[in-house]
This record gives sequence, C-alpha cells and structure tokens, in this order.
Amino acid sequence: GAGVSQSPSNKVTEKGKDVELRCDPISGHTALYWYRQRLGQGLEFLIYFQGNSAPDKSGLPSDRFSAERTGESVSTLTIQRTQQEDSAVYLCASSFVAGNPGDEQFFGPGTRLTVL
Amino acid sequence: AQTVTQSQPEMSVQEAETVTLSCTYDTSESDYYLFWYKQPPSRQMILVIRQEAYKQQNATENRFSVNFQKAAKSFSLKISDSQLGDAAMYFCGLLGTYKYIFGTGTRLKVLA
Repeated sequence: GAGVSQSPSNKVTEKGKDVELRCDPISGHTALYWYRQRLGQGLEFLIYFQGNSAPDKSGLPSDRFSAERTGESVSTLTIQRTQQEDSAVYLCASSFVAGNPGDEQFFGPGTRLTVL
Repeated sequence: AQTVTQSQPEMSVQEAETVTLSCTYDTSESDYYLFWYKQPPSRQMILVIRQEAYKQQNATENRFSVNFQKAAKSFSLKISDSQLGDAAMYFCGLLGTYKYIFGTGTRLKVLA
C-alpha cells in the first residue's frame, strides 16, 4: 500500500476484555515497530520485528501484551485483560530493514485505545 | 542507556518569525542518527529532518534546520518563517541500533 495503515482507528473496550490491534506495513518493508503514546507523552517503544522474528520484546509492559507478525506483512498487537492504564494511542511504523540508521521509519495513524 | 530530553513542553511563535526547539541526548554508540518528527492533531508522525552523527554539517530542509553540537550532545531544531501549518507536537528522536528513543515532545503554537 501507499502507507502504513492501522485498524481500528479507535477502540473502546471494557476493563478485562482482550483487544487486537492491527498494522499493515508498507509493502517491501521488512522491519515493523510498535510504540505506545500515552496522553501528552512521548512515544514508548514496545517491540520490533525483522521479518516475522521479534529479537527484542523488552519494551512490552507486561505479559498481557503480545505481538505477532505474519511473514513480512501484517502484525497484530494483542492486549489481554485490558486495564485502564492501557489507554493510549498505539502507533505502528515500518522501514526497509531494522537497524539500518539510514532507513526512515514511516508511521501509521495509530489506534486510540480507551479502556473504560 | 540512551536518553532523549526535550525540556520545553510548549513553545509559541508569531507567524513568520523564527523559533528554536531544544533537544539533548545521551548515547554510548558511536554511530547514530538524530531526527525531528512532527505530529499534528491527526496523530500522523511526519519526518521533518534527520542528521547523521558522523556528519559535522548541519542538516537543512527548506525552512527547517538543525544545530547539531555533537560534543555537547545537543540537537536543536530551528524553524524559520513559521507558518500556521507548523503548529504541532515536535518529537526529537535518536536511532541507535534498531529502535528509536523519543523525547517527551514540545508543543509548538503558531500565533497569527
């Protein structure tokens, strides 16, 4: 596609429910990144994929968070048993190759998650 | 550990004037890139400008330029001839091995 797309754009859920957030990277981009942005704050790195491998999961806040990626395509971020502190905008980005500092990361529009 | 600090939560500038946004960083890596991203209310992160750490020359992109002081670990963004469309959150970022570390952002208001 022309850019990184994310769905849904907004998600409202009840505390304790599970949610899945989807990211479609730019075609040909092997690296994919997930970030969390709490209200009024900067971006917090969660996890990245090189292909469908996730070498670094250290940014995931708790074991309720998990992510997977199919090949070099779609990725889903799953949050189980959501809590109110999970409310944030979740941003996805992709680039040609992870770890190449010359590669620009292209960001999606984000999913705004609200946990009631 | 890598850190990025933006000490100005909010800045204002008159239309057509110049404003400078500050950013300091810390990293132990010798090869890294520095970036400024703009995030308008649409939430879309847009790359404004980037600087390769090994290059001494400051990067420029039209009305946007940086003042990169490697020894001081400082990377400020100057916006000249500010326009209403420049109003947004600006994030300074550092790319080391594979991930970005971002500052907490500076909200820029442009006054007509």
